[in-house]
Amino acid sequence: AQKITQTQPGMFVQEKEAVTLDCTYDTSDPSYGLFWYKQPSSGEMIFLIYQGSYDQQNATEGRYSLNFQKARKSANLVISASQLGDSAMYFCAMRESTWGTGFQKLVFGTGTRLLVSP
Amino acid sequence: NAGVTQTPKFQVLKTGQSMTLQCAQDMNHNSMYWYRQDPGMGLRLIYYSASEGTTDKGEVPNGYNVSRLNKREFSLRLESAAPSQTSVYFCASSGQRVASTDTQYFGPGTRLTVL
Repeated sequence: AQKITQTQPGMFVQEKEAVTLDCTYDTSDPSYGLFWYKQPSSGEMIFLIYQGSYDQQNATEGRYSLNFQKARKSANLVISASQLGDSAMYFCAMRESTWGTGFQKLVFGTGTRLLVSP
Repeated sequence: NAGVTQTPKFQVLKTGQSMTLQCAQDMNHNSMYWYRQDPGMGLRLIYYSASEGTTDKGEVPNGYNVSRLNKREFSLRLESAAPSQTSVYFCASSGQRVASTDTQYFGPGTRLTVL
């Protein structure tokens, strides 16, 4: 069975510094996708970044980048130049391969709460 | 284009009461999902509907029933609410994958308290 592990319940970072949120995963499927979502205090789930298991390069989206180490089965989220608005819960999730259909089964980690201080 | 909508936003029930959480999407997505989010547990899949006319159990289905009313709407019913069902409930939907980055779209959530 697929599993996502986020070992950091909480992280603190100062504004303008970089922070890494850890995510490790376990799957026997050679084709999978990894997602990071942000959940601010307002509660909505916001998609941040995606990494496919066959992608050769690490994904980047603005200040977000994903440090993908396939052999170690880790997909850590790096937020550069942290801002106060980055304070939120962050969830790592894994998707089974479902090409050709609309159905996606996501497995979520337990989340990391990030607090950015001035 | 509202995306995924959920009603109600908040609800307080007494033990044993029943209620239905409503979810609708306007993105013509085939698949819809219900999750619950508890502190320290992340999101857990309750039920899903891979396509109109089908529903299947997820990780934590006990105490819930679902109905895929049509392609747009997917409801979650608590027949006899229990305090253990106090949680935040999210509905999500996903469409035909045309890009690897295509993912699920989430509603704003329903915060349910069972006394």
